[in-house]
Amino acid sequence: AQSVSQHNHHVILSEAASLELGCNYSYGGTVNLFWYVQYPGQHLQLLLKYFSGDPLVKGIKGFEAEFIKSKFSFNLRKPSVQWSDTAEYFCAVMPYSSASKIIFGSGTRLSIRP
Amino acid sequence: NAGVMQNPRHLVRRRGQEARLRCSPMKGHSHVYWYRQLPEEGLKFMVYLQKENIIDESGMPKERFSAEFPKEGPSILRIQQVVRGDSAAYFCASSKRPTLGDEQFFGPGTRLTVL
Repeated sequence: AQSVSQHNHHVILSEAASLELGCNYSYGGTVNLFWYVQYPGQHLQLLLKYFSGDPLVKGIKGFEAEFIKSKFSFNLRKPSVQWSDTAEYFCAVMPYSSASKIIFGSGTRLSIRP
Repeated sequence: NAGVMQNPRHLVRRRGQEARLRCSPMKGHSHVYWYRQLPEEGLKFMVYLQKENIIDESGMPKERFSAEFPKEGPSILRIQQVVRGDSAAYFCASSKRPTLGDEQFFGPGTRLTVL
């Protein structure tokens, strides 16, 4: 079955620390990949997406993610986090065969200490 | 340019009652998706609709749940005879041209509490 695994349920960092959130998926075919963010009290917003081309994708607010096909991974990174990055982060996959159904990971809650 | 609208934002029902959740997609979007988020879990796909058609309902429970997206008006997710396990956040998303890679835009969700 298709699935998305996010390795960390809750990550706590201090401001200015570097961030890497892990994401692995299980699907043998072509996929589109996403990272969504949900700030407290707000709805899901797209951080970045990968469809094709350069596997290093840059998104909003200084986030980037790298697609490593051989590892079925799409880890999210940010070199220096801010208190305002406190949110829940969801990795998601859309298999090409899915007719646009998105499969989400269980999410990683990121808490930033000021 | 209004985003995806959902109402109500919060809904409380007693066991056995019906819940109706509404979703108005972004202007120009004719593809609607419903997802459910249980506490401490990620979003789970339920159903994908295009105007007047159900395209994929593989994530819908077999009983009590139904969805529609009429030619006019919002998409409706209907849950009959609700049970406590239906308590969750229900998110709607819309897209313009999903087969061309357009992203899904999400609404604020409806938080359903079943007493």
